[in-house]
Amino acid sequence: EPEVTQTPSHQVTQMGQEVILRCVPISNHLYFYWYRQILGQKVEFLVSFYNNEISEKSEIFDDQFSVERPDGSNFTLKIRSTKLEDSAMYFCASSVLAGGPETQYFGPGTRLLVL
Amino acid sequence: QKEVEQDPGPLSVPEGAIVSLNCTYSNSAFQYFMWYRQYSRKGPELLMYTYSSGNKEDGRFTAQVDKSSKYISLFIRDSQPSDSATYLCAMKRDGNNRLAFGKGNQVVVIP
Repeated sequence: EPEVTQTPSHQVTQMGQEVILRCVPISNHLYFYWYRQILGQKVEFLVSFYNNEISEKSEIFDDQFSVERPDGSNFTLKIRSTKLEDSAMYFCASSVLAGGPETQYFGPGTRLLVL
Repeated sequence: QKEVEQDPGPLSVPEGAIVSLNCTYSNSAFQYFMWYRQYSRKGPELLMYTYSSGNKEDGRFTAQVDKSSKYISLFIRDSQPSDSATYLCAMKRDGNNRLAFGKGNQVVVIP
């Protein structure tokens, strides 16, 4: 069964460093998402992406974040200058369609720790 | 008032018991309601999906939506140790991409 994959599974970085989290969505999916989950808190929406553009973003997704689809298979989340509070599990998701009763399929996550 | 509320208290039940989970929400624009299951160190996996008031059954799982009360439930019958996981409710508006999640309930089914 096709699945969303994410690399790395764990990332430790120093505050102020840039990190890039990578995702390979399911191959025929057109919509891509990033969510994050701070330990003990809810899964929170960050951004959705379609046709090489951000289609929606949350208040969390500020100028230090960016997303990119650098080729036909990868979808990346870049955090430019990491802060301690960016420590969280980051989930990538993808769906065939959007805006209606579509299913978003989640990857296993990347655990980011900022020291 | 929080958009989606799910009492995050852990739940321990004996094997074979019925597990009952619920969420309330404040945004009447939510049209689609989901339950995700999350095993330790894994991403959320869709379990049930409903978009109208009433019940939907899938094997041992029943999802219930009451839009008038802004209340959704998940029931697991004949619970098994393999059902031990965190269960997250999620919902979204029509025409919108973002899922709004509850905090999740950790369920432990004791053999």
